[in-house]
Amino acid sequence: DSGVTQTPKHLITATGQRVTLRCSPRSGDLSVYWYQQSLDQGLQFLIQYYNGEERAKGNILERFSAQQFPDLHSELNLSSLELGDSALYFCASSARTGGLGGYTFGSGTRLTVV
Amino acid sequence: DQQVKQNSPSLSVQEGRISILNCDYTNSMFDYFLWYKKYPAEGPTFLISISSIKDKNEDGRFTVFLNKSAKHLSLHIVPSQPGDSAVYFCAASEHTGGFKTIFGAGTRLFVKA
Repeated sequence: DSGVTQTPKHLITATGQRVTLRCSPRSGDLSVYWYQQSLDQGLQFLIQYYNGEERAKGNILERFSAQQFPDLHSELNLSSLELGDSALYFCASSARTGGLGGYTFGSGTRLTVV
Repeated sequence: DQQVKQNSPSLSVQEGRISILNCDYTNSMFDYFLWYKKYPAEGPTFLISISSIKDKNEDGRFTVFLNKSAKHLSLHIVPSQPGDSAVYFCAASEHTGGFKTIFGAGTRLFVKA
């Protein structure tokens, strides 16, 4: 157990629907990062939050949004889902905003859009 | 635009020998480089890192080498063990503003007993 909790582990939904993925960071970590991994590809950076504020944005679609709450948990909202959104979504956390210590990843949420 | 490239999708090595995983990057502003290991059904696990001011960092059986002029880094595992069989991701980040750590596509390492 890495200390980063992602729920749900698996999600199957239909095209056009909206889902919310949840992440609880490791205790004491202020930064949360979201990554998408599609079909054995690398991890694509989506977005980073630090202590409730957005700090960096990657290739996140306009249909996707995220937020970090006062208790530091984060949610990734995916709307108007398309088949191509099927992927593993990872959340990671770190004490600060990155650096040489690396991130702690959760075990991911596998999203299947049918 | 792939800023971090791992050109070998897979690598097979005999137990006890050296495993060398390679990574190239294009963004000269990257100043932190990291390696992660990933087992099936788990998230990536941080392995080792190096700052751009160094050219080598060692941690037990794992050593990362950085060649800034060539924009190339490598991870050496010696001796390789069957438990090292996993997907290895190279990652790089730029220490300006927020950290956007960019990951390569990964190299699957098979260590044969």
